[in-house]
Amino acid sequence: AQSVTQLDSHVSVSEGTPVLLRCNYSSSYSPSLFWYVQHPNKGLQLLLKYTSAATLVKGINGFEAEFKKSETSFHLTKPSAHMSDAAEYFCVVSDQKTGFQKLVFGTGTRLLVSP
Amino acid sequence: EAQVTQNPRYLITVTGKKLTVTCSQNMNHEYMSWYRQDPGLGLRQIYYSMNVEVTDKGDVPEGYKVSRKEKRNFPLILESPSPNQTSLYFCASSPGQNIYGYTFGSGTRLTVV
Repeated sequence: AQSVTQLDSHVSVSEGTPVLLRCNYSSSYSPSLFWYVQHPNKGLQLLLKYTSAATLVKGINGFEAEFKKSETSFHLTKPSAHMSDAAEYFCVVSDQKTGFQKLVFGTGTRLLVSP
Repeated sequence: EAQVTQNPRYLITVTGKKLTVTCSQNMNHEYMSWYRQDPGLGLRQIYYSMNVEVTDKGDVPEGYKVSRKEKRNFPLILESPSPNQTSLYFCASSPGQNIYGYTFGSGTRLTVV
């Protein structure tokens, strides 16, 4: 069965410093991986997705993630944090075995950005 | 504007009083799904639908019903709500191919007292 582990429940950074949100996945088949962001009292917005094309994926708002099969990781990074990046981030996996209608969510990482 | 619309945004109800949360999408998507979000648990799938009249259980279907009579609508029905169904609910839709991901609604915060 597929699963996702977000290694940090909270990450705190200062504005202008790099962001790293860690995600490890487990999947018996070729996975598709996503990062979603949820701002307070808002729905979920797709940041970026990996679907077996380039392993380095660029998303919106300067975020990117690298798919590393050998490490079963899909960490989210951003070179310089902005105050508006403060939100909760979810790593998500689906695979061909379970079907594309099935998304498995991590438990989320709350990103705190201080001035 | 392409979107998934849920109603209501907030709802407080009493135990046992049937309720329906509506979900509508205007993107002609085939796949629709319901999730609940609880602190520390992320989002868990309740039910999903791959097309009209095709629905199936997700990970936590107990206490919920759905229907898909037309492509754009996918209501979530709680026949006899209980306090453990107090949660934040999201509806989502997708064209059906994995490369697109899902579009989520803004959420419905349900409190059952």
